Amino acid sequence: DTAVSQTPKYLVTQMGNDKSIKCEQNLGHDTMYWYKQDSKKFLKIMFSYNNKELIINETVPNRFSPKSPDKAHLNLHINSLELGDSAVYFCASSQDSISYEQYFGPGTRLTVT
Amino acid sequence: EDKVVQSPLSLVVHEGDTVTLNCSYEVTNFRSLLWYKQEKKAPTFLFMLTSSGIEKKSGRLSSILDKKELFSILNITATQTGDSAVYLCAARHYGGSQGNLIFGKGTKLSVKP
Repeated sequence: DTAVSQTPKYLVTQMGNDKSIKCEQNLGHDTMYWYKQDSKKFLKIMFSYNNKELIINETVPNRFSPKSPDKAHLNLHINSLELGDSAVYFCASSQDSISYEQYFGPGTRLTVT
Repeated sequence: EDKVVQSPLSLVVHEGDTVTLNCSYEVTNFRSLLWYKQEKKAPTFLFMLTSSGIEKKSGRLSSILDKKELFSILNITATQTGDSAVYLCAARHYGGSQGNLIFGKGTKLSVKP
């Protein structure tokens, strides 16, 4: 009965590859987010979707493309992976785009070699 | 540029001590300030503060916001080893990016037995 789940938990891949991370929430929330946490534990928002529509798109390379097939899912596809993409990626959800309380997934640790 | 600064970056105390974690912010159209606790996995929500001077309390944890001086503190009394974690402060703002949280780098708290 996990509220926000992500797969995979760990991902090791080589530079230049394309990979995807999946996120699902069973809370019935309207809004979902992707965050990147770097090696210094700095957490920064990347994207946010509300009811499948993109509402936040921070300065992120266009190699990163989010996709929301429905409001319970927000996947992150990354093309041409680079060393600097190594980080922990967190998915989160909130009741709506105004709600302050965000529920985070367990994170996906991406290592690019 | 909007920013959130936390101090100290790390702190080592012994069980039973009281600690105060600091968070200052410079955010356009500030709306609210949130505290999260991050252990090995994802951040978990602690408090949301919107009004100045009103203390929020949950067990041994309490927090208060000063909107004039643009800072917040998180107090933990009678610390326990289970309080060891990274404590993240985040600011929300009104505007086009509703729901956007700007995180500080966190304070890593280590509680020794």
